[in-house]
Amino acid sequence: QSALTQPPSASGSPGQSVTISCTGTSSDIGTYNYVSWHQQHPGKAPKLIIYEVNKRPSGVPDRFSGSKSGSTASLTVSGLQAEDEADYYCSSHAANGVFGGGTKLTVL
Amino acid sequence: QVHLVESGGGLVKPGGSLRLSCAASGFTFSDYYMSWIRQAPGKGLEWVSSISSVSTYTHYADSVKGRFTISRDAARNSLFLQMNSLRAEDTAVYYCAREYWSSPDYWGQGTLVTVSS
Repeated sequence: QSALTQPPSASGSPGQSVTISCTGTSSDIGTYNYVSWHQQHPGKAPKLIIYEVNKRPSGVPDRFSGSKSGSTASLTVSGLQAEDEADYYCSSHAANGVFGGGTKLTVL
Repeated sequence: QVHLVESGGGLVKPGGSLRLSCAASGFTFSDYYMSWIRQAPGKGLEWVSSISSVSTYTHYADSVKGRFTISRDAARNSLFLQMNSLRAEDTAVYYCAREYWSSPDYWGQGTLVTVSS
């Protein structure tokens, strides 16, 4: 079963940009453009914020953007705001349902 | 809009059973794969099981294979998870999710399952 690797933590000051990586393999992220990112605030259910690598569902601010290079996908949060402090998880088609381990984003 | 509501969680003793339900609305239920995903206290997300749109295929994480059974009822727009032989390590919030290309695009609010004597 493949795994997706994320850094456990990331941080930035309000107004700054932060990028979170998600590393898979040539069998999942490296082949398919179906990478998703999910945001989870403490005590709340996760919420989809990016799908198909770089698409945003309706209502998600354009401060959130996604990209992919080879087998690594990235989530960038620009113009950090206090409410962006949350856990972020990546997932990918063909990764056997596996999620990344999650990245805790702290707004300093 | 899409709405997923889980129910059936609670406190159960080790070795016991529980059946989770998920009521779906706001979309054509029979068009989508559905899945169960859980999150142990203080831990990350763990995919548990998925079922294809018309129940042809089911998939399970190794940690629950042989103990959990996923099913769905198109007439009731509902998803189920029958959990048997429960263990302490099954303690988690269980989320129902609609799938889009193997990833959730909508999540329920979750239901807590606690396995303890």
